[in-house]
Order: sequence, then C-alpha cells, then structure tokens
Amino acid sequence: QKEVEQDPGPLSVPEGAIVSLNCTYSNSAFQYFMWYRQYSRKGPELLMYTYSSGNKEDGRFTAQVDKSSKYISLFIRDSQPSDSATYLCAVSGSARQLTFGSGTQLTVLP
Amino acid sequence: GAVVSQHPSWVICKSGTSVKIECRSLDFQATTMFWYRQFPKQSLMLMATSNEGSKATYEQGVEKDKFLINHASLTLSTLTVTSAHPEDSSFYICSAPDRGSSYEQYFGPGTRLTVT
Repeated sequence: QKEVEQDPGPLSVPEGAIVSLNCTYSNSAFQYFMWYRQYSRKGPELLMYTYSSGNKEDGRFTAQVDKSSKYISLFIRDSQPSDSATYLCAVSGSARQLTFGSGTQLTVLP
Repeated sequence: GAVVSQHPSWVICKSGTSVKIECRSLDFQATTMFWYRQFPKQSLMLMATSNEGSKATYEQGVEKDKFLINHASLTLSTLTVTSAHPEDSSFYICSAPDRGSSYEQYFGPGTRLTVT
C-alpha cells in the first residue's frame, strides 16, 4: 500500500466549476499536509499548507484535513483555465521529508 | 520567497557517460537539500537527503554508487548520475527546506535528463 494515494485523473472541468481533489494517507504520524501545483516540466510550487486537522482558505482555494479518516482535500472555486496543472498532495512528519501523492492532472476548459 | 536554481535545465547524454546536476539556494543557506526523481505522469519520489559536510542519506532502492551526491557548501548540492543508462532518463528536482519553517520547502525548476 502506498503511503499516499491520489486519483491521477485526468480531470477536466468547465471554467467556473468547483474542483475537488482528494488524497488519502496511511501513516497517522504525518502532521503536515500540503498541496502543490506543478506546471509541465517545472518544479512544484506550494499552494496550501495545513497543520493537523482543520480547514484553511486562501482566496479561491480551500484545504481540508481530516486526520481521523486520513483524508485530505483541496477545493478550487470558480476555476480558471490558468488553474490547469497537475496538483500534488504531500504529507510530512517531523523530518521535513515530503511524501507525495501521484498527482492529479486538471484541465479547466474555457 | 526564497529561490532554488538548478543547472542544467535539460541535458542529453550518451549511455555510459556521467552527468552532473547542480542545485543552488540563491538567497539563503541550506544545510539540507532533497533530491527527487519524477518519471512522466508520475509523482516525485525522494531519492536522497543531501547534508552539508556529511554523507547523503539515500532512500531504499536508490543506488548510492550510481547517484553520487555532494553537498560542498551551504548553497550548493550536486547530483552526479554515473554511467547513465536510458532508464535513468527522468526529471530530477531538488528542494531546500526553509530553516525557519517546519514545513516550507523551496523547489528548483527541475532538470530533464535524457540518456540516449
């Protein structure tokens, strides 16, 4: 079993739609939960970060963590074509090493 | 935010040759850097942790004699792929953690290696 499972998609939505991206993880020791966005042939960039359980909102993006079910989510409201990218969830314990999900390729159609 | 650079951004080499990839933290010091490998449409897989002034720590299954890591200074780590083969063709990405943060890492733009 992989430590982090993520539906690879691809996911295609019309502009303005609400996008829901999800990951599950297996190790309850993980404390830090991140979402990264990666454009083709580029390094990932941090979008959202959450420590422990809870919600965090930043503009059109909302990250949710439910440690009881080991489930993390990213919601994108009013999606834009510029949001088209691969979205990677990542988890970390105390060693700062990141374990990534496989990434979900998102396309927002104009 | 802080910037991490990689050089080269793209390299093609012949099978059997060695290739060196540099990772630099441009405006901050990094005692630790991480090296990842990413195959097409797959996630980033941690290869090794580079430690300034000491030996790198490799993840299980990564050949340390094939992927040589040198962290010579607080701003530079290098990954040398020795005797490269076509199966080593991949996207190699480094990252450096923010020393003031428990989670933040800055990623380089990646190096695409093609071995012919």
